[in-house]
Amino acid sequence: DAGVIQSPRHEVTEMGQEVTLRCKPISGHNSLFWYRQTMMRGLELLIYFNNNVPIDDSGMPEDRFSAKMPNASFSTLKIQPSEPRDSAVYFCASSLRDEQYFGPGTRLTVT
Amino acid sequence: AQSVTQLDSHVSVSEGTPVLLRCNYSSSYSPSLFWYVQHPNKGLQLLLKYTSAATLVKGINGFEAEFKKSETSFHLTKPSAHMSDAAEYFCVVPQSQAGTALIFGKGTTLSVSS
Repeated sequence: DAGVIQSPRHEVTEMGQEVTLRCKPISGHNSLFWYRQTMMRGLELLIYFNNNVPIDDSGMPEDRFSAKMPNASFSTLKIQPSEPRDSAVYFCASSLRDEQYFGPGTRLTVT
Repeated sequence: AQSVTQLDSHVSVSEGTPVLLRCNYSSSYSPSLFWYVQHPNKGLQLLLKYTSAATLVKGINGFEAEFKKSETSFHLTKPSAHMSDAAEYFCVVPQSQAGTALIFGKGTTLSVSS
């Protein structure tokens, strides 16, 4: 298996622009997670899905952030409009039971 | 509520010496516990998992962890450090008995000198 796939790996954008991060989970996994990692705040869970349904989005920082999972093999995390404080590494992870498998992350820089 | 506390934010060892990364947990039931490793500019990788089958759990790259219920600890050890072990290590517990979300500790950065 190719593992969890994330794209793009790096994204540089200007403040105010829309950013879309993409994730393809491991085939057969039924849960998908979006995390954000910064030096200041560490690793934060933003939202997770079970069987394509959002279960807990309490970690989503504000309305500028939205996530979708239209099918079992694809998810997006959108930031609109982006701000410099959104700069971070965003990870996607998937699981079948309790152990999660992480993608390589998307490094987002908002200038 | 479930929680984990990693007792050291940074551990430094010399190559060839033992590694000890400490983790205490809090749980209202006997939980699963994990250690994940993150090498610089990489994603997180599962190192090992405890599921109550055995208190001593062996993971990848020579690491192991021992579950001690009396001490509510799940410390990670390795007999002999290698330069490639330099990374950040996270102790992790599920958010609930039924749920799939995980709670990550704040991480311990392991430095290995030659």
